[in-house]
Amino acid sequence: GQQVMQIPQYQHVQEGEDFTTYCNSSTTLSNIQWYKQRPGGHPVFLIQLVKSGEVKKQKRLTFQFGEAKKNSSLHITATQTTDVGTYFCAGRSNDYKLSFGAGTTVTVRA
Amino acid sequence: DAGVTQSPTHLIKTRGQQVTLRCSPKSGHDTVSWYQQALGQGPQFIFQYYEEEERQRGNFPDRFSGHQFPNYSSELNVNALLLGDSALYLCASSWMSYEQYFGPGTRLTVT
Repeated sequence: GQQVMQIPQYQHVQEGEDFTTYCNSSTTLSNIQWYKQRPGGHPVFLIQLVKSGEVKKQKRLTFQFGEAKKNSSLHITATQTTDVGTYFCAGRSNDYKLSFGAGTTVTVRA
Repeated sequence: DAGVTQSPTHLIKTRGQQVTLRCSPKSGHDTVSWYQQALGQGPQFIFQYYEEEERQRGNFPDRFSGHQFPNYSSELNVNALLLGDSALYLCASSWMSYEQYFGPGTRLTVT
């Protein structure tokens, strides 16, 4: 079955620094979604990427979908304390199933 | 406009018992998906309901069953509870296969 892997599992970042989290699928995806879950909260939708090589930006967040539609990345610039949480990628296969990665948990040092 | 709501918020059950969790989707959404999230893990897909039919199912045993009602609300039933069923159960609604809106979840503890 489809598997989605995310690295790193944990990311400790100094406030103001940049970081990237990566997502890889064992199969080609029809689209990929990114979610953020704050401690004690529920996943909140951030963005969906559909096209091969697609790049989308949301303020300090840049999302990219690989050319082969099997990998994706989230890059955050100038990290702030509000960026704390766990970032999940979720890949959708052609049968509608959405498979979540294990997430990257981000902590920020002020 | 109310978002996705789930009930109850917390639940404690004993091994072998049965549990029913409920979900009301966001207004305008016709698709409901259920996920199990163990501590420190990503949500694991249980199944998805569309037009009152189970459209897709993840790798969960038949002890996990569900239902979708004409008003698009949904229930998740788990029979013969095991200790390993302890988790946060998340309901997510969407219109077709677009972005999903998650509810706050039901924290199930099996003792």
